Amino acid sequence: GENVEQHPSTLSVQEGDSAVIKCTYSDSASNYFPWYKQELGKRPQLIIDIRSNVGEKKDQRIAVTLNKTAKHFSLHITETQPEDSAVYFCAAGQFYFGTGTSLTVIP
Amino acid sequence: GAVVSQHPSWVICKSGTSVKIECRSLDFQATTMFWYRQFPKQSLMLMATSNEGSKATYEQGVEKDKFLINHASLTLSTLTVTSAHPEDSSFYICSERTSGNNEQFFGPGTRLTVL
Repeated sequence: GENVEQHPSTLSVQEGDSAVIKCTYSDSASNYFPWYKQELGKRPQLIIDIRSNVGEKKDQRIAVTLNKTAKHFSLHITETQPEDSAVYFCAAGQFYFGTGTSLTVIP
Repeated sequence: GAVVSQHPSWVICKSGTSVKIECRSLDFQATTMFWYRQFPKQSLMLMATSNEGSKATYEQGVEKDKFLINHASLTLSTLTVTSAHPEDSSFYICSERTSGNNEQFFGPGTRLTVL
């Protein structure tokens, strides 16, 4: 089955700085890579996704890059704000989630 | 996007009792819904796929006799944790997926605490 690794597990940045979270996956057949944001005790919410036919996708301050050859993809958040603080999960396909990154944005 | 609700949002029960969690699709007829379990500070782990009108499909390592899933209608799937024990304490989340793309919509989750 698919194996998704995510790094780092915790990340602290100053407000306004950028944050980068990286994931690798094992199954070369995977073609859908969503990113979810989960606040404490709440449901995961999709923030951006990318499919294997593109290498990069951007939505305002959030961008995702995908390298299918290397089987890794990354989430980039620019101009971070305190409300970006949450746990972020990557996934390969719909059901295989990374271990999560707890992001703290320091005001 | 789709709207998914869960009930209850939290439950505390004694060891040995059974607990039923409901997952409802409020604006979409979902022939397939998914159940996840999330332990504290850990990732979401898919437990089973709930199929309307047929048996659920369980992931490896998930006991089907312990986690009973019923999907009797297009808008309701239930997960019953039978003879719950403290190690079953977790955050249980359901989801549905819209047709046409892969996007999942999650319910708000149910926090189960077994004493």
